[in-house]
Amino acid sequence: QVQLVQSGAEVKKPGASVKVSCKASGYTFISYAMLWVRQAPGQRPEWMGWINIGNGNTKYSQKFQGRVTITRDTSASTAYMELGSLRSEDTAVYYCARDSRGGIAVPEYWGQGTLVTVSS
Amino acid sequence: EIVLAQSPATLSLSPGERATLSCRASQSVNSYLAWYQQKPGQAPRLLIYDASKRATGIPARFSGSGSGTDFTLTISSLEPEDFAVYYCQQRSNWPLTFGGGTKVEIK
Repeated sequence: QVQLVQSGAEVKKPGASVKVSCKASGYTFISYAMLWVRQAPGQRPEWMGWINIGNGNTKYSQKFQGRVTITRDTSASTAYMELGSLRSEDTAVYYCARDSRGGIAVPEYWGQGTLVTVSS
Repeated sequence: EIVLAQSPATLSLSPGERATLSCRASQSVNSYLAWYQQKPGQAPRLLIYDASKRATGIPARFSGSGSGTDFTLTISSLEPEDFAVYYCQQRSNWPLTFGGGTKVEIK
C-alpha cells in the first residue's frame, strides 16, 4: 500500500531554515509527482509547491518563491522540502502528498505531517 | 489567484441526515474541483476529484456535482465517522487553492 513517512517535528528560530523529508513506498516513486501543502493551526491547507519526480521539474507558489526548494532523491524514494528565512507565521504542519495519476495536481495520498514550530 | 468560498461554515446535523456542502469559485474552474475530509490531528483525505469522480475506496454516500463556479458535495446519509471538516480545492489555475472549510458537527 502507498505510504509516505515524513521526518519528525522541528523547532527553529526565526531566520533559520528547515528541511522536511518524505519517504515513499508501495508504488513506483518516479511515476507520480509530489506536492507539498502546509496547514497553520485552525487554518485551511495552503499549497506550497509541486515536483515532477521523474524529471525534477518544480512549480512553486509565488508566496514562497525564493524561500522554498523542493527536491527528490530517486535512489532513496524520498522527496524533500526546504523552507528558509523562517518567521513565526511559518509555524504549521507540513504535508507531502502524492499526486494522482497523470500529474493532475490532486493530492491523493498524504504523509502524516511534520509540525514545524518557529519561535525565538 | 482563484478564491474558493465554502458555505455554510458549520453544519449541525444528526446521523442519518443528508448533508449538502457548497463551494463557490471566484472564477470558472471548469470541473477541476476536489473535495477533502479532515479529522482532528489527521491529514486531509481525498474524497472527490474533477467535481464528481469518487477517489479510490470512497463510499457511494459521498457524491459531488457542479461545474464552472458552483459546486456541491452531498453526503446522502451521515455516518458517525463523517463528522469532520470538509475542504474544496481547485486545480484549474496555479496556485492551487483551498476553500475555508465546512465543519459538519453532530447536532
